[in-house]
Amino acid sequence: KNEVEQSPQNLTAQEGEFITINCSYSVGISALHWLQQHPGGGIVSLFMLSSGKKKHGRLIATINIQEKHSSLHITASHPRDSAVYICAVSPGNTPLVFGKGTRLSVIA
Amino acid sequence: KAGVTQTPRYLIKTRGQQVTLSCSPISGHRSVSWYQQTPGQGLQFLFEYFSETQRNKGNFPGRFSGRQFSNSRSEMNVSTLELGDSALYLCATTSLRGGETQYFGPGTRLLVL
Repeated sequence: KNEVEQSPQNLTAQEGEFITINCSYSVGISALHWLQQHPGGGIVSLFMLSSGKKKHGRLIATINIQEKHSSLHITASHPRDSAVYICAVSPGNTPLVFGKGTRLSVIA
Repeated sequence: KAGVTQTPRYLIKTRGQQVTLSCSPISGHRSVSWYQQTPGQGLQFLFEYFSETQRNKGNFPGRFSGRQFSNSRSEMNVSTLELGDSALYLCATTSLRGGETQYFGPGTRLLVL
């Protein structure tokens, strides 16, 4: 069983829809990261959080430490949001452990 | 501030050859981590360097090695290439070791024929 599970694996949405991507993990962590990877490979770090909620523009990330669960929400989705979204956890001072990613396609 | 740079961006090699990839971190960043990304396995940690010392190593064979220089630039080397080494190799840098946002380079796409 993977230490980091993401759902769904693939997601297709219409422009303007509200999107939720989920991440569950099984290990104790010091932080959780949400990453975005566009075609071509470049990865951008969207959020790093250890508790509560963070917001940046149309993106919102939440984490529930007790339930070992995090969600990434995209409001008013746009075709440029199409990318792979990857959840990764930091189990203390050890390397990041990654989920398999969620491939999002937003159709105009 | 310039971002993380990786060279080369694309590389084609044949089985048995060796390859060296380079990563230059953001100015002031001293921690460099290397990752391998394949369609089947996703992102996997290779190793981490901080102040020229390897601090963590992933579960990869000894053919994979790396080093970091005094200016924080890092190189990774893969010897005796195998077909399965075809992947996107990414480096990521942070200013401190652990607990910081990682800044990723654009990656080096390696194809082994």
